[in-house]
Amino acid sequence: NAGVTQTPKFQVLKTGQSMTLQCAQDMNHNSMYWYRQDPGMGLRLIYYSASEGTTDKGEVPNGYNVSRLNKREFSLRLESAAPSQTSVYFCASSEQVGELFFGEGSRLTVL
Amino acid sequence: RKEVEQDPGPFNVPEGATVAFNCTYSNSASQSFFWYRQDCRKEPKLLMSVYSSGNEDGRFTAQLNRASQYISLLIRDSKLSDSATYLCVVYANTGGFKTIFGAGTRLFVKA
Repeated sequence: NAGVTQTPKFQVLKTGQSMTLQCAQDMNHNSMYWYRQDPGMGLRLIYYSASEGTTDKGEVPNGYNVSRLNKREFSLRLESAAPSQTSVYFCASSEQVGELFFGEGSRLTVL
Repeated sequence: RKEVEQDPGPFNVPEGATVAFNCTYSNSASQSFFWYRQDCRKEPKLLMSVYSSGNEDGRFTAQLNRASQYISLLIRDSKLSDSATYLCVVYANTGGFKTIFGAGTRLFVKA
């Protein structure tokens, strides 16, 4: 019963460093998402993938890139981390509208 | 104006109390509505969908008022374990992915 698995769970970066957040789901869902959550802001969509082979920008895509590697995996890359990207990142997958299954989150701090 | 607005709370209630949360949305084309629950430092999890006629799941009742563009969540006989943040979620198919999360309402249930 793994569901959605994200790695790493915690990461500290220095400004300008790069990193990739990995996400995998085992529910055979077509759609996958990356959100960030900041205090008082709620969850904001960074990128999503409606199906394997497609990706689209969400509300806050600047500074991020994504790859839908296959149906199971959807990675999020920060090419040059900035302090404004300090946040909790959640990966999610879904098959039905609005019914998202989230990973446990990745806490990123950029110094 | 935010697309989905919630009273951030916190709501502090004693065990056994009835508590209600409201959520307003600005997009009149919104089609689907949900409540999610998020425990402290955990991922959001779907609590219930909200149907046009209203729906109930045990101690939880969700209502939708399309004319006034708000949804509500009523929790009866509050338990300590109900302490969490409740997120209102609205979906609108108006070109591209459009599932918007509210910032959440915090609930503390005390003995």
